[in-house]
Amino acid sequence: DQQVKQNSPSLSVQEGRISILNCDYTNSMFDYFLWYKKYPAEGPTFLISISSIKDKNEDGRFTVFLNKSAKHLSLHIVPSQPGDSAVYFCAASYTGTASKLTFGTGTRLQVTL
Amino acid sequence: GAVVSQHPSRVICKSGTSVKIECRSLDFQATTMFWYRQFPKKSLMLMATSNEGSKATYEQGVEKDKFLINHASLTLSTLTVTSAHPEDSSFYICSAGAGSQRGRTDTQYFGPGTRLTVL
Repeated sequence: DQQVKQNSPSLSVQEGRISILNCDYTNSMFDYFLWYKKYPAEGPTFLISISSIKDKNEDGRFTVFLNKSAKHLSLHIVPSQPGDSAVYFCAASYTGTASKLTFGTGTRLQVTL
Repeated sequence: GAVVSQHPSRVICKSGTSVKIECRSLDFQATTMFWYRQFPKKSLMLMATSNEGSKATYEQGVEKDKFLINHASLTLSTLTVTSAHPEDSSFYICSAGAGSQRGRTDTQYFGPGTRLTVL
């Protein structure tokens, strides 16, 4: 049962344009969401997070939007840079689970010149 | 800040031997550490949750006698793969919960991972 889904396994975006990565979840108890970036043979790097009491969080080029009614979140990267090319995972957790994260399957972003 | 290290980064061992992987939080104390396994082109699979000073909590389907976890201090957790077999070959990643000093404890910071190859 995949509680966190990233339906696009890959995405290609031109440098300078906006990258939009999407994530859907099914468990309505999730109240905290995170995005991680991962290069091959490395551990994930934390990018940005959002609590369910908010609908938007921004940090530099990265913005995460949360739509609780649709159980959907998205990560916007603008402007996209070649160094952003990596696999992006969304993750979710809820209070009372000892901070356990449930990860999506990942989206491979390729930023082209 | 929030740096997590793992050692070794890569290990090759013979079938039947045991391998220990260390996970350290370098600039913060982590009451909770997590061990994940990643299969090729798959998401991260949580193996166990490790709390300092207590027994680890294993996810369903993970053999606790095969994957021994010790969380001896607030900055160190170890995973020992006992009697390793080729099917244990994988990429193992640890993470540490940063604790309230860095916001919500749900934010996990990951180590760089350990590539285990069992011959």
